[in-house]
Amino acid sequence: EAQVTQNPRYLITVTGKKLTVTCSQNMNHEYMSWYRQDPGLGLRQIYYSMNVEVTDKGDVPEGYKVSRKEKRNFPLILESPSPNQTSLYFCASSQQGAVSYEQYFGPGTRLTVT
Amino acid sequence: AQKVTQAQTEISVVEKEDVTLDCVYETRDTTYYLFWYKQPPSGELVFLIRRNSFDEQNEISGRYSWNFQKSTSSFNFTITASQVVDSAVYFCALSEPDSWGKLQFGAGTQVVVTP
Repeated sequence: EAQVTQNPRYLITVTGKKLTVTCSQNMNHEYMSWYRQDPGLGLRQIYYSMNVEVTDKGDVPEGYKVSRKEKRNFPLILESPSPNQTSLYFCASSQQGAVSYEQYFGPGTRLTVT
Repeated sequence: AQKVTQAQTEISVVEKEDVTLDCVYETRDTTYYLFWYKQPPSGELVFLIRRNSFDEQNEISGRYSWNFQKSTSSFNFTITASQVVDSAVYFCALSEPDSWGKLQFGAGTQVVVTP
């Protein structure tokens, strides 16, 4: 089954404690990205990756890091989380370059930073 | 600047009423894609429709229909004979050629359907 998985699904942590949210896809997609969802703002892109070892900032990258060492995985790293990073996070993947690509979203990770 | 505007924050209807969600977008490109996603209370994003800029035909899928009008840069979504299961947040999104793969979302419209 084609899918994007994220772990953990729920996380409560404290300010400053480094954390990683994993994202994995089994569709051999080149393009992966992370979004955060906040009330009244919709979803905003944090970082994206067009292929292995190729990453770039989205609209709201501050406070986040990513890496793409393997095609299937795209972890999101919060080195020193702060309360304003409390949000719902989605990972997504798609086929790069396809004229009519399909976006696949993970189930979401709800993060609370206290 | 917001490229996708969903002016309705919340719409409340009684079951069996029709509800229309507005979406206005902004782009300079002639080729682009528009999307609608549904987010039920469980939180996942459910893909509803993708429409490319060259296809202005309206589309109907069961109780859902979409009205794409390039002249007014709108891509409105109507739920006919609403049901309680339609209660969700609905997002309109835009994808442009210089950033294929990136979706620019509107703020979302919360639809509440009461029995």
